[in-house]
Amino acid sequence: NAGVTQTPKFQVLKTGQSMTLQCAQDMNHEYMSWYRQDPGMGLRLIHYSVGAGITDQGEVPNGYNVSRSTTEDFPLRLLSAAPSQTSVYFCASRPTGGAGNTIYFGEGSWLTVV
Amino acid sequence: AQSVAQPEDQVNVAEGNPLTVKCTYSVSGNPYLFWYVQYPNRGLQFLLKYITGDNLVKGSYGFEAEFNKSQTSFHLKKPSALVSDSALYFCAVRDSRGKAAGNKLTFGGGTRVLVKP
Repeated sequence: NAGVTQTPKFQVLKTGQSMTLQCAQDMNHEYMSWYRQDPGMGLRLIHYSVGAGITDQGEVPNGYNVSRSTTEDFPLRLLSAAPSQTSVYFCASRPTGGAGNTIYFGEGSWLTVV
Repeated sequence: AQSVAQPEDQVNVAEGNPLTVKCTYSVSGNPYLFWYVQYPNRGLQFLLKYITGDNLVKGSYGFEAEFNKSQTSFHLKKPSALVSDSALYFCAVRDSRGKAAGNKLTFGGGTRVLVKP
């Protein structure tokens, strides 16, 4: 079972460059989201989607764009990378239905901006 | 606004001893509570959750957690820790109310557990 798949796993960017973190899930989940993980701060929600064509901002959306053209894919775009975006990024998904449904995470993408 | 506090940055315990990782929360409605574990350079793995019903929830790898509404706590416990339990543990909460639930899962800052042989 593939679950939630993220690519790339590691990436180094120069300040000002743009890039896209890919996320795909094969569980037919309607909800998908992106988090960033920083030491001592847990995971913070960047953007989320409740279905194809629908996206919304989380806690820390600035500097990031998302789109959801299909149920399976939810890419995260860094428009102009900054050192403050050095972090570990996690894509996640969960089934529709109750808000008590478990959220499933990808393996993470380690991003360094120099 | 909902929030989660994990008051300990690190917990050290000897192998075979009981392990407790503390978590307190704040939500406006009824909480949905989760524990996740993260091993080095890996994603978060689901351990257990409390939605409703019995306050004692049993999960993966011998872990359990007790929901205490009056103390707004959801501490993670394991009766006998293993060296392989050494990892980073996250508590998370979601508000059960309507649209406020959405997809927003709020995480605590994480507690690093070190189990020594």
